[in-house]
Amino acid sequence: DQQVKQNSPSLSVQEGRISILNCDYTNSMFDYFLWYKKYPAEGPTFLISISSIKDKNEDGRFTVFLNKSAKHLSLHIVPSQPGDSAVYFCAALGGSEKLVFGKGTKLTVNP
Amino acid sequence: DADVTQTPRNRITKTGKRIMLECSQTKGHDRMYWYRQDPGLGLRLIYYSFDVKDINKGEISDGYSVSRQAQAKFSLSLESAIPNQTALYFCATSEGGQGGETQYFGPGTRLLVL
Repeated sequence: DQQVKQNSPSLSVQEGRISILNCDYTNSMFDYFLWYKKYPAEGPTFLISISSIKDKNEDGRFTVFLNKSAKHLSLHIVPSQPGDSAVYFCAALGGSEKLVFGKGTKLTVNP
Repeated sequence: DADVTQTPRNRITKTGKRIMLECSQTKGHDRMYWYRQDPGLGLRLIYYSFDVKDINKGEISDGYSVSRQAQAKFSLSLESAIPNQTALYFCATSEGGQGGETQYFGPGTRLLVL
């Protein structure tokens, strides 16, 4: 029973274009969502988060959108850069105060 | 210096051996976590601790035990390692509470059980 789903294992985009990473969740008790970025041989690094009281949060090139009715969130990276190539994890937090992670999407940004 | 450190970074061991992975943090956070990452499976929670006297099982605690020696230290033990415990192990910390949801991860320990 996977509560947080990242249905695309990989995504490839051209440098300068937009990257859109998607995440779906099933548990309506989740009220806080985070995106992490992970390079090989390193631990996940926090990227951006959003509370369920908002539908958008922006930080530089990174924007997270939340659609509560669809139980869907997405991470937009504009413009994409080769250094953005990494695995991106979506995570959700609810009443249990335990993060539940998706399986990750590997983003490759081609020069 | 890194806020969350893990030792060792890499370890090879044999089936049946006892092994301990250690995590230290200088962030002053009360909450600490142990996860494992397997290819295609994301991160799964093994154990977590919300303060020194609090230990809780996560999603996949069988075959593991933990010790919270101090606010800054949280160790993970494999009492009798088996090959399917070969994985990447990550420690994380968080402040907790509203506004303290973000977890900060260590660099990971790559464990191979032969």
